[in-house]
Amino acid sequence: KNEVEQSPQNLTAQEGEFITINCSYSVGISALHWLQQHPGGGIVSLFMLSSGKKKHGRLIATINIQEKHSSLHITASHPRDSAVYICAALLVRGSQGNLIFGKGTKLSVKP
Amino acid sequence: EPEVTQTPSHQVTQMGQEVILRCVPISNHLYFYWYRQILGQKVEFLVSFYNNEISEKSEIFDDQFSVERPDGSNFTLKIRSTKLEDSAMYFCASSEAGQEYSPLHFGNGTRLTVT
Repeated sequence: KNEVEQSPQNLTAQEGEFITINCSYSVGISALHWLQQHPGGGIVSLFMLSSGKKKHGRLIATINIQEKHSSLHITASHPRDSAVYICAALLVRGSQGNLIFGKGTKLSVKP
Repeated sequence: EPEVTQTPSHQVTQMGQEVILRCVPISNHLYFYWYRQILGQKVEFLVSFYNNEISEKSEIFDDQFSVERPDGSNFTLKIRSTKLEDSAMYFCASSEAGQEYSPLHFGNGTRLTVT
């Protein structure tokens, strides 16, 4: 069965801490998406990557295709980073393919 | 910045009724998607749409579901005869190119409650 596993499920951090959220998947993929879901439910795309590393502001995403693993890092975390972070893997089946979502990591950053 | 818009934000319907969820994707995007999220659970893929036809659908997307792009701007999801278990948040998304080439842009979702 195609699975995307995230860890941890819940994460509480103090403002300013460096945060890492992990995502592992069991099958070959063509791309991996990192998404942020706000408390109100809206979803925002953070990164789409198929190799290497991407950086946007305080956010960094890395992927290791051989190890079937991706990480999302947040540097100098802030209470406004509090949200659910979701990784979603695009199976190797074509660009319109099926995205398999992880259960999400609920991050709470305390001031 | 262009946005994906969904209407209504909340729809309440009785079991057995038909509902149509509406989405206006970003105007220059070519790929359209519907996802759903049952309360407390993970997001699930329903269907992808490109070039006026379904390109892929999940097991969830059975005969009671259909999608249409009736004009140049709207993208709709119809549920023919709603069941209690259809209660969920439904998200529309669009992308400029396929999901392996470009990020997804999500709407704010329609919360469907079936009573």
